[in-house]
Amino acid sequence: DTGVSQNPRHKITKRGQNVTFRCDPISEHNRLYWYRQTLGQGPEFLTYFQNEAQLEKSRLLSDRFSAERPKGSFSTLEIQRTEQGDSAMYLCASSLGGAGGWYEQYFGPGTRLTVT
Amino acid sequence: AQTVTQSQPEMSVQEAETVTLSCTYDTSESDYYLFWYKQPPSRQMILVIRQEAYKQQNATENRFSVNFQKAAKSFSLKISDSQLGDAAMYFCAYGNEKLTFGTGTRLTIIP
Repeated sequence: DTGVSQNPRHKITKRGQNVTFRCDPISEHNRLYWYRQTLGQGPEFLTYFQNEAQLEKSRLLSDRFSAERPKGSFSTLEIQRTEQGDSAMYLCASSLGGAGGWYEQYFGPGTRLTVT
Repeated sequence: AQTVTQSQPEMSVQEAETVTLSCTYDTSESDYYLFWYKQPPSRQMILVIRQEAYKQQNATENRFSVNFQKAAKSFSLKISDSQLGDAAMYFCAYGNEKLTFGTGTRLTIIP
C-alpha cells in the first residue's frame, strides 16, 4: 500500500491553457474524491466517484472542469482555458465505500497549480 | 447547506502543555460525522480523530480528545502533552462522503 499519489506535484501554466492532473488511489478503494484548497482556506469539495460513476459534482465545478475515472481506477481532473482564479492546491482522496457507515478518506499530497 | 467555522486562525502552546482548538458547525441533519484533520507543512492531510453524532461519548485517540456538544453544534479538539510534531494546520470537517472543512487553525508548538 503506497498511499494516494498525485501527478504532477506542481504545475505552472499560462492563462488560457488546458491542464490535466492525475490521481492514483489506494488500490482497493472504490471511492475517489477531488477537493480544491486555496491559500488560507480549507479544502472545498469538487466531485467524487464510486468506481467509475461520478456521483456528485459541486457547483464550484464549472463547465471548464471535467473529471473522469475510467475503469474505476485512477482519475483525471482537467481544467480547460485556465484562469488565474484556478490557482490552488488540488487534492485527491480515496476511501472504501458502501451503503451506510463511515469510511476514512486518505489524502494525496496534492497538485499545486499556478496560473500566470 | 452545512458550514464549519473555526474562529482561531492561529494558536500556540508550550511543549508538554494542553491546547484546545474550537470548531462550530451548522447542519439540519440529525445523523452525521465530525472530524479533525491535521495538515503538516508540505505534507498530506491525515485524520486525527472522528466523532459520530449519534454517540454521546466524546471520542479519544491517545493525546487527542474532543468535546462534542451536539445541541450547541460545537466540536473542539483538545491536545494534551503537546509535542513538536503536533505543529500543523488543523481542520475541522463535517460529512461522510463529501467533507465540508473549516478554514483551519495553525498550531505552533513553543519548545
